[in-house]
Amino acid sequence: EDQVTQSPEALRLQEGESSSLNCSYTVSGLRGLFWYRQDPGKGPEFLFTLYSAGEEKEKERLKATLTKKESFLHITAPKPEDSATYLCAVQPLKYSSASKIIFGSGTRLSIRP
Amino acid sequence: GAVVSQHPSWVICKSGTSVKIECRSLDFQATTMFWYRQFPKQSLMLMATSNEGSKATYEQGVEKDKFLINHASLTLSTLTVTSAHPEDSSFYICSARDFSTGTGDHYGYTFGSGTRLTVV
Repeated sequence: EDQVTQSPEALRLQEGESSSLNCSYTVSGLRGLFWYRQDPGKGPEFLFTLYSAGEEKEKERLKATLTKKESFLHITAPKPEDSATYLCAVQPLKYSSASKIIFGSGTRLSIRP
Repeated sequence: GAVVSQHPSWVICKSGTSVKIECRSLDFQATTMFWYRQFPKQSLMLMATSNEGSKATYEQGVEKDKFLINHASLTLSTLTVTSAHPEDSSFYICSARDFSTGTGDHYGYTFGSGTRLTVV
């Protein structure tokens, strides 16, 4: 069964304290892995799409990496405005690129000033 | 970038009434849209896949007669919660993916801002 597991469930950091969020996945072939940010009461905001092991993408203080079994979202020198829930989702190869994606449970990140 | 508009952003209705939520792709056409439900501090649960011009595909355990989906045009999908009850209170979110310019892959799926439904 296709599955996505995110850890930790919640993470509290001091401003400037770098860390990583983990997304482990079990799928029979990966078409794509997505990272989203969600603020309370809002829809998810797209961050990255990764397609193959070894791929990396960066945006400001965020960098996403991908291996054959997991993805990491690295946050460098975070600021309070980075506080949000970060969601990981995968699209198995058996689905077309226009088909559904499977979400993990998310990591609630809190950055203290 | 692709924009998905969802309306209303919040709605309060009486138990037993029906509520319609709209999801529009503003600057692209979407033959497929997705409807999710999210409970507090939980992740998104896919309810159904909305297909333009055909019947929606519902996930296991989702009552198709309760959650009616209509995708009558390439830019509009609607979700109607029929005979709503307090247990239907939740955050409903739609999404779509823009493939029109060939950059859809780079933008993943775009989500609406969500609709907070409260049934009293």
